Amino acid sequence: AQSVTQLDSHVSVSEGTPVLLRCNYSSSYSPSLFWYVQHPNKGLQLLLKYTSAATLVKGINGFEAEFKKSETSFHLTKPSAHMSDAAEYFCVVSGGSQGNLIFGKGTKLSVKP
Amino acid sequence: NAGVTQTPKFRVLKTGQSMTLLCAQDMNHEYMYWYRQDPGMGLRLIHYSVGEGTTAKGEVPDGYNVSRLKKQNFLLGLESAAPSQTSVYFCASSYRRGHNEQFFGPGTRLTVL
Repeated sequence: AQSVTQLDSHVSVSEGTPVLLRCNYSSSYSPSLFWYVQHPNKGLQLLLKYTSAATLVKGINGFEAEFKKSETSFHLTKPSAHMSDAAEYFCVVSGGSQGNLIFGKGTKLSVKP
Repeated sequence: NAGVTQTPKFRVLKTGQSMTLLCAQDMNHEYMYWYRQDPGMGLRLIHYSVGEGTTAKGEVPDGYNVSRLKKQNFLLGLESAAPSQTSVYFCASSYRRGHNEQFFGPGTRLTVL
């Protein structure tokens, strides 16, 4: 069965410093993995996705994630945080029994000026 | 293209009242999903549909019903609302099951008093 664990419920960084949001997954086969972002009172927007091509995936707004099969991880990074990055981020794995996406519980990113 | 739209955006119900949430997509997607989002829980699948006229139960289907009479629309009904159904509801659609990314609507914030 597929599952995903986001290791931090809340991450706080200063503007201009690097961002690291950690995600581990469990899957019985090669999964597709996604990061979605949700700004306050908004819907979910796809940041990036991994679908068994390049292990380093680049997304929108300067974010990227690296798929590491040996570590079953898919951590999200950004070199320099911006105030507009403050949001909740969800790591997601595909392949639920009903074809749905399996969501992590989310990591809330705060960015201090 | 409007993508995925949801109506209404907000609603307050009294316990025992009924209502229908409407989701519409203009991307000709076969698959549609209803999720609920609760604090610290991520998104959980309520019901889904793999095509016009077909629906199936997800992870948390109790207290909800759905219908997919037209390919572009997916309705979520609450026959007798309960306070435990206070949540934010998201509709999503995808071209295929499983590994394909899902596109989300803006959400409906429902409060049951």
